[in-house]
Amino acid sequence: QKEVEQDPGPLSVPEGAIVSLNCTYSNSAFQYFMWYRQYSRKGPELLMYTYSSGNKEDGRFTAQVDKSSKYISLFIRDSQPSDSATYLCAMRTGYGQNFVFGPGTRLSVLP
Amino acid sequence: GAGVSQTPSNKVTEKGKYVELRCDPISGHTALYWYRQSLGQGPEFLIYFQGTGAADDSGLPNDRFFAVRPEGSVSTLKIQRTERGDSAVYLCASSAQGTSPLHFGNGTRLTVT
Repeated sequence: QKEVEQDPGPLSVPEGAIVSLNCTYSNSAFQYFMWYRQYSRKGPELLMYTYSSGNKEDGRFTAQVDKSSKYISLFIRDSQPSDSATYLCAMRTGYGQNFVFGPGTRLSVLP
Repeated sequence: GAGVSQTPSNKVTEKGKYVELRCDPISGHTALYWYRQSLGQGPEFLIYFQGTGAADDSGLPNDRFFAVRPEGSVSTLKIQRTERGDSAVYLCASSAQGTSPLHFGNGTRLTVT
């Protein structure tokens, strides 16, 4: 079992839909959780960064962390074709530790 | 300000050759990371620097891989005797001190023929 799991997709949704992207993990020591967006032939771009459990909202994006279930989610409201990309979750245990990434979910938002 | 810069953006080399990949982090960021990403996969950790020293090199696959950061800023990832299996995108990221998130460059796409 990999440390961080994601459904690879591809996930196709119509423009304007609410998108739900998820990751599960096995290491209960993870405390810091991130979501990145990666366009083809580009580096990952930070979208959301959260610590411990709870919700965080930034514009059309909401990140949720449920440490008791070892499950994190990213919601995208009013999805746009420009949101079409691969979404990577990442997490770390604490200061000085490396970040562990999921394999990514490919999202396609159709106009 | 400028983001993380990686050069070259593409590198094609023959099996057995030596390559160097350069990373210029965001100014003031003390932590620097190297990751490797294969097609359809998430980034895989290679090595992490805090300042000039390698704080964690547990992700380096074997002794053909080596990285330096002599002045605590620019870093170079060095690969000796390249193999076709080394073909991937090599990503560099930096972060401010503490528990800040990573900021990535656009990577170097290495192809070993």
